[in-house]
Amino acid sequence: EVQLVESGGGLIQPGGSLRLSCAASGFTVGSNYMSWVRQAPGKGLEWVSVIYRSGTTYSADSVKGRFTISRDNSKNTLDLQMNNLRAEDTAVYYCARGLAKSGGTLFDSWGQGTLVTVSS
Amino acid sequence: IQLTQSPSSLSASVGDRVTITCRASQGITSALAWYQQKPGKAPKLLIYDASSLEGGVPSRFSGSGSGTDFTLTISGLQPEDFATYYCQQFYNYWTTFGGGTKVEIK
Repeated sequence: EVQLVESGGGLIQPGGSLRLSCAASGFTVGSNYMSWVRQAPGKGLEWVSVIYRSGTTYSADSVKGRFTISRDNSKNTLDLQMNNLRAEDTAVYYCARGLAKSGGTLFDSWGQGTLVTVSS
Repeated sequence: IQLTQSPSSLSASVGDRVTITCRASQGITSALAWYQQKPGKAPKLLIYDASSLEGGVPSRFSGSGSGTDFTLTISGLQPEDFATYYCQQFYNYWTTFGGGTKVEIK
């Protein structure tokens, strides 16, 4: 059974850093396209970052230069290093497994999400 | 690529036929998916490639369209279908979602 479990969320001050982790089971992270998708309170879904099987990464302009997606194949985990956090980064962050289609990915499995709150 | 969903919310009764539309700001062929999200839960994939039903999803859900205009139809709304629905384009690596349509009980 495919399972994704996020951890690492919490309350952080503006300008601070936080590292999210996503533990996967039932499949191999390194053999899949993996993404982070976030959802601000009461708002819609926003794609954040993706890492391809090749290791190539892309991020949304809103987080480029501040967030870094990575994976640890030995632990079968996906990470998101978030630096210089802003109030507008407050959201539930979901880890999602992607299916490569057309030029992008759709998401067939999601974690339960971890809440990041950026506030002083 | 921007996705515009309509309506943003609707009220319907059990058994109703419900249609949600999603319009892309440019052509995306059939690179569109639909998700269902219930409060406090992660989204769930319903439809991919505009009209292909994900495994385990009831056949009352269907999708259609290509290019810029897409629809999600629920034929015979069930109590468990009251939720928010999102479309997503995966035409390029910068995937985007529509603003969502909340389906509420009338």
